[in-house]
Amino acid sequence: IVLTQSPGTLSLSPGERATLSCRASERVSAEQLAWYQQKPGQAPRLLIYGASRRATGIPDTFSGSGSETEFTLTISRVEPADCAVYYCLQYGSPPFSFGQGTKLE
Amino acid sequence: QVHLLESGGGVVQPGKSLTLSCAASGFTFSSYPMSWVRLAPGKGLEWVAGVSYDGSYKSYADSVKGRFTVSRDDSAKSLSLHMESLRVEDTAIYYCARGSPVWAVYYYYVDVWGEGTTVTVS
Repeated sequence: IVLTQSPGTLSLSPGERATLSCRASERVSAEQLAWYQQKPGQAPRLLIYGASRRATGIPDTFSGSGSETEFTLTISRVEPADCAVYYCLQYGSPPFSFGQGTKLE
Repeated sequence: QVHLLESGGGVVQPGKSLTLSCAASGFTFSSYPMSWVRLAPGKGLEWVAGVSYDGSYKSYADSVKGRFTVSRDDSAKSLSLHMESLRVEDTAIYYCARGSPVWAVYYYYVDVWGEGTTVTVS
């Protein structure tokens, strides 16, 4: 399954809402889609799994939604610490695959 | 706490082989599926290989199938990635990653990551 993320880069001001999209080339079964945040020089961090379930310790400013081929990660009010690259991962059809990433500035 | 520590990275010539290792601690290793994920310079994350919690099922990205082999040693709480016929495009940071949920065979997301080990093919 090929995942296409948009936009490639998202530039926002603090307090604005961020909407990141992940589109799959085929249906992702059982909403088996996750979102990750990666900052430079760090390992990725799990944000969302099962399309909409927040991982442990993730603030409720992060939310996930979507089904089948269209998924969205929303950050309700961005802050400077949210600057990172965000990736979606489908794990419903081996071999698993990541999207190419969205850079949030 | 849960910890994954990769080792074995380095500089290798094209066509050569290299084996990466990952030492796990802080959780019941034998209950979890495990994966390798890489980040090439200037590129995005790429899922490389995964193994089910019981070792019965392994899957590989098309880009490495037939060249890389993932294996686990539950007694040593260790995950390995044997890489053969290395190419310049295999240059990347390789992350060891724990899958979830427990006892997953085919479908699991990554919930814990190591800090990575760097492989340079040149």
